[in-house]
Amino acid sequence: EDQVTQSPEALRLQEGESSSLNCSYTVSGLRGLFWYRQDPGKGPEFLFTLYSAGEEKEKERLKATLTKKESFLHITAPKPEDSATYLCAVKPDYGGSQGNLIFGKGTKLSVKP
Amino acid sequence: GAGVSQSPSNKVTEKGKDVELRCDPISGHTALYWYRQSLGQGLEFLIYFQGNSAPDKSGLPSDRFSAERTGGSVSTLTIQRTQQEDSAVYLCASSFQEGFGYTFGSGTRLTVV
Repeated sequence: EDQVTQSPEALRLQEGESSSLNCSYTVSGLRGLFWYRQDPGKGPEFLFTLYSAGEEKEKERLKATLTKKESFLHITAPKPEDSATYLCAVKPDYGGSQGNLIFGKGTKLSVKP
Repeated sequence: GAGVSQSPSNKVTEKGKDVELRCDPISGHTALYWYRQSLGQGLEFLIYFQGNSAPDKSGLPSDRFSAERTGGSVSTLTIQRTQQEDSAVYLCASSFQEGFGYTFGSGTRLTVV
């Protein structure tokens, strides 16, 4: 069964304290792995798409990496405004036109000043 | 519009009533998705529309749920005879092409009392 597991469920950091969020996945072929940020009361906001092992993407203080079994979202010197829930999702390769992504439950990040 | 628009933002309904949730995607986006987000759970795929193709309804939890997309643009998700377990945030997303990063709306928070 295709599955996405994110850890930890919650993470509390001090401002400037770098850390990483994990997303492990099991799918029958991967067409893409997606990272989203979700603020309370809002829909998820797209951050990155990764397509193949070894690929890396960066945006401001965030860097996403991908291996054959997991992805990491590295947060360097976080600020309080980085506080949010970070969601990971995968698009399995069924070889057809399946459109849905499979989401993990998210990691809730809190950054204290 | 500039983003995905969903209405209403909040809906409280009595058990057994029917509800309609509306999604107005980004102009030109051919793919449209409905997801459900329950407290403490990941996003659950409901239905996917791609252009003029038959929708992928594989995620609809029961025959009380249905959706349509008129003219390749606006979509309506209908829940008949609502139950308390239908209480959740219903999120709509659209993308330029299937598999690309989605843009989500802010969701409709449905509460069944």
